[in-house]
Parts: sequence; C-alpha cells; structure tokens
Amino acid sequence: ETGVTQSPTHLIKTRGQQVTLRCSSQSGHNTVSWYQQALGQGPQFIFQYYREEENGRGNFPPRFSGLQFPNYSSELNVNALELDDSALYLCASSLGSFPFEQYFGPGTRLTVT
Amino acid sequence: GEDVEQSLFLSVREGDSSVINCTYTDSSSTYLYWYKQEPGAGLQLLTYIFSNMDMKQDQRLTVLLNKKDKHLSLRIADTQTGDSAIYFCAPVGGNMLTFGGGTRLMVKP
Repeated sequence: ETGVTQSPTHLIKTRGQQVTLRCSSQSGHNTVSWYQQALGQGPQFIFQYYREEENGRGNFPPRFSGLQFPNYSSELNVNALELDDSALYLCASSLGSFPFEQYFGPGTRLTVT
Repeated sequence: GEDVEQSLFLSVREGDSSVINCTYTDSSSTYLYWYKQEPGAGLQLLTYIFSNMDMKQDQRLTVLLNKKDKHLSLRIADTQTGDSAIYFCAPVGGNMLTFGGGTRLMVKP
C-alpha cells in the first residue's frame, strides 16, 4: 500500500465524451505525475504537477489536461475521447519535482467504446 | 527522447536466480529505477541506482549498471513464485520516468 488512491477504479465512456480521473497523493507529497499504460506496454508520461503548476509534459495532445489542488490531490481530464485512449491511467506522487521515488496508485481502467 | 528496451519474457524455476536486462539511450539519466507490476495492480517501486554507482544490493535484489554500454540489470536471488510479475526499468530523463515495455517473469514451482 502506497497511500496513493485513485478514483474511479473502472470507467466506460463513449467516443467523443469527456472524462475526469482523480488522484490523492501520499501524505506529505507535493508532486503528482500522470501516466497512461496501454495494454501490454509500459507506462507513458503524460504530465507532472508540482505545487499546483504543470511541471513537464510528455507527448500528449492538449485535450489531456490536469489540475492540482492546494491539498496536492490532482485531476486528469481528457476531452473528445478516442478509442486509443482506452488504457490504465496511473498517478504517482513524490516529494519534489525531481522524480525521487515515485509511488503509484492502483490506476483507473478507462474503456472507450 | 529516451528509448528503453527490455526482453519480453523470462521463465525460471523457483529457487533459481533471475536476471532481467534493460538497455537505454539517454546517457544523462541520473537515476534508474526498477518497478514491479502484478496483474491488475499499480506499480511497486523495488529499487533504484544512481548513475555514479556500478552496483547496488538490496536484500535479494542486485542492480548492476554499465554506463558505457547503457545497460542495466536486475538480479533476483532465490526467486519465489510470488516474484512472478512484470518488471519495468525506468531511467530518469529531465523530471520524468521513461519506462521500458516490461519483462514478464514467470516462476515455475
């Protein structure tokens, strides 16, 4: 148990819809990173939030956006869902913007039909 | 960007040692992590090595780093059935982790 929680566990959406995924970081951690893990692949970095500011972004389009709140919890929003967005979405919390020891939540499984 | 390669599959017998290999391209990676993922679960941090080290031992785990060849390995001594999982290496580039595709370790009793 890492202390990082994510909700919901599973989600089914239709192409074109919008989705919001949530993450609560481990106590004392001020940084949240989001990853997309397609089936059979390694996680891919989406973006990182450090003290409520975006602090780095991977190769994902602008329809992937996020927020971090004063309590360091975070949201990932995806607009105009596409079939290829179906994946496990993982958040990881850490102390500081440099990824020392990122601790992962169990993930949200998103299916787009 | 960074490319990280791992072999897809490794099968060992219980009690044997397992060696999982990883190659990467970014020579400026400062930390290199190993994560474990069990079916339907998130990622569990196993260990890491700093780039100025050649070896790090942590109980049954030994990490070897060859910076010249950009090669990282994870050795699991006395492998148990509970070690069956997917193992990912993840070098740090900038402020992000870049994951390999993962190696599925199967441990036969």
